[in-house]
Amino acid sequence: AQKVTQAQTEISVVEKEDVTLDCVYETRDTTYYLFWYKQPPSGELVFLIRRNSFDEQNEISGRYSWNFQKSTSSFNFTITASQVVDSAVYFCALSGFFGNEKLTFGTGTRLTIIP
Amino acid sequence: SAVISQKPSRDICQRGTSLTIQCQVDSQVTMMFWYRQQPGQSLTLIATANQGSEATYESGFVIDKFPISRPNLTFSTLTVSNMSPEDSSIYLCSVETTSRGTQYFGPGTRLLVL
Repeated sequence: AQKVTQAQTEISVVEKEDVTLDCVYETRDTTYYLFWYKQPPSGELVFLIRRNSFDEQNEISGRYSWNFQKSTSSFNFTITASQVVDSAVYFCALSGFFGNEKLTFGTGTRLTIIP
Repeated sequence: SAVISQKPSRDICQRGTSLTIQCQVDSQVTMMFWYRQQPGQSLTLIATANQGSEATYESGFVIDKFPISRPNLTFSTLTVSNMSPEDSSIYLCSVETTSRGTQYFGPGTRLLVL
C-alpha cells in the first residue's frame, strides 16, 4: 500500500523568510511519481510539480525548489523569500508510474505567511 | 494542461435529497477521476470514471451512493445520493491529459448538507 506523510500540520513564517515543507512516502513500487499541489483559500487544487522516481535531480522553479531523496523516501519543498500569496495548503502526493493510477495524498500542510 | 469546469461551484442541500455535479473538460481526455475532500481533510479518490463502461469505485464507495456517468471523453457527472450531513465536502474532478501520470483538477464543488 502507498502512504504519504506530511508531519507538519501548520506552519507560519514571516514574509520573506524561507520555509521547507516535508514529505515522506512509502511504496512498494520501484517506479512511481511524486507530486506537489497547492490549494489556496479559493479551494482549487493547483499542480506544482511532478517528479519521476528514477530522476533524483533537484529542481528549481523561481522561488520554489524541490529536494528528492530516494534513500530517505523524502520529497521536500522549499519556498525561498516567501510571499503572502504563498499562503495555502500544500499537498504531497504519490502515484504509480504507468498512468491511469490514483493519487495518494498526504494530509497537507497549511502554510501561513505573515505580512 | 486542460481547462476543467465544474457545476455547481457550491450548493446547500437538504438531507435525503440528491445532487448531480458536472465536470466538463475543454479537450478529450482518457482518464477522469472523482475525489472527495471532507472539511479540513485530505483528498480521497471516490472512483475512476470510465468512458463507455461502469466506473471503478474505491473501497468504501459504492455505486448506489455515488453513481457516475461518463458519456464521452470530455464530460462526466457524479451524483451524491440520499445525502446526509456527513456528505458535506468539496468534490473535485480531475483529468489525466497528454502528460501521462499527471492529474489536473477542476475548481471543485462545495457541498453543504443540512
